[in-house]
Amino acid sequence: QQQVKQSPQSLIVQKGGISIINCAYENTAFDYFPWYQQFPGKGPALLIAIRPDVSEKKEGRFTISFNKSAKQFSLHIMDSQPGDSATYFCAASMEGYQKVTFGTGTKLQVIP
Amino acid sequence: NAGVTQTPKFQVLKTGQSMTLQCAQDMNHNSMYWYRQDPGMGLRLIYYSASEGTTDKGEVPNGYNVSRLNKREFSLRLESAAPSQTSVYFCASSRGGGYGYTFGSGTRLTVV
Repeated sequence: QQQVKQSPQSLIVQKGGISIINCAYENTAFDYFPWYQQFPGKGPALLIAIRPDVSEKKEGRFTISFNKSAKQFSLHIMDSQPGDSATYFCAASMEGYQKVTFGTGTKLQVIP
Repeated sequence: NAGVTQTPKFQVLKTGQSMTLQCAQDMNHNSMYWYRQDPGMGLRLIYYSASEGTTDKGEVPNGYNVSRLNKREFSLRLESAAPSQTSVYFCASSRGGGYGYTFGSGTRLTVV
């Protein structure tokens, strides 16, 4: 019930291409869906987040698409750059719940 | 503007030794968390503290203890280290619940 399933485990994208990472959840009580970006040797950092009352949120080249009926959400990175090479974690949490449930992560490599 | 500070950054322990990982945040956050990160396993919650004076177990608490010393500081103790505790440990904080974590830069622990 609390699990968040993330795919793919790794992804190689050409510079300028679109990177897409998908996540699925079971618990319909989740009401906050953040994405975290982690560079090697660093801690994860909050990248972008969405609530289920909207279907899409865009910040620069990063977009979250949210499908409430399918219980899925995804991160799109437009015009991917080598500097975007990192591990990305999706996550979910809910009102009154002290913890975040993380996906298992996607290692993205953007090649020139 | 330090955020979340973890010490030490690296540590090598022998099996059976004990040590304490320190974490401090300067954002006046209520909630603090300890995670471990292992290849292919994502981020797993060890213990968390929803507010000063409270602590609760996460999904992998065995072999660890925690202390919420005050609002700023949350320490993680390994009483008798085992090779299975070789991992990267991250402390995180949030103003409440699962919203908007700020992570520290991590402690890389090796138990030999």
